[in-house]
Amino acid sequence: DTQMTQSPSTLSASVGDRVTITCRASQTISSWLAWYQQKPGKAPKLLIYQASNLESGVPSRFSGSGSGTEFTLTISSLQPDDFATYYCQQYIYYSTFGQGTKLEIK
Amino acid sequence: QVQLLQSGADVKKPGASVKLSCKASGYTFTSYYLNWVRQAPGQRPEWMGIINPTSGSTSYAQTFQGRVTMTRDTSTSTVDMQLSSLKSEDTAKYYCARSPNWNHPYYFDYWGQGTLVTVSS
Repeated sequence: DTQMTQSPSTLSASVGDRVTITCRASQTISSWLAWYQQKPGKAPKLLIYQASNLESGVPSRFSGSGSGTEFTLTISSLQPDDFATYYCQQYIYYSTFGQGTKLEIK
Repeated sequence: QVQLLQSGADVKKPGASVKLSCKASGYTFTSYYLNWVRQAPGQRPEWMGIINPTSGSTSYAQTFQGRVTMTRDTSTSTVDMQLSSLKSEDTAKYYCARSPNWNHPYYFDYWGQGTLVTVSS
């Protein structure tokens, strides 16, 4: 199985901050990585696919980068609606998710 | 608009089976794979398996092999997922989710609202 590890597990930030979340794969996954946002009680929402492609309708303050085994999700200027849990997911070897990063208000 | 509407919450006893439904609308049902993903409380999502809506062929995560069965009905644009030999650890919210890319079908653009399954004696 391909293991996905995110860091940090929890991130405290303020509105307007620039934040970065890291995701590492246990083996190379090329660029077959997606990022999701999840709010309590709701389904995950696709933000980024193929490591850096922004899903339609997702604000441009979200961006993704990386390839191989190391990836990042960056939010350029946090908005109140962005406080949520974020998951990375590899999808080259079926599908596995990272453990999540909870983005909290500082 | 694309919608995936799932069946309602269920409570089962250990050892029982549960069958969940997911009705798709707003797009051509046979053009997109559908998946089942579950999420236990406070845990990461876990992919369970995928079904080709055209052929009905399936592929299941090794964790669930022998316990899960996915089927589809093209006349009603519905996919079902049955999970047997339930244990308390199967308590989770179960989602159906659509694959936007036929060639790389293991990421998901639309999700159902989720169905909570509780396994308790």
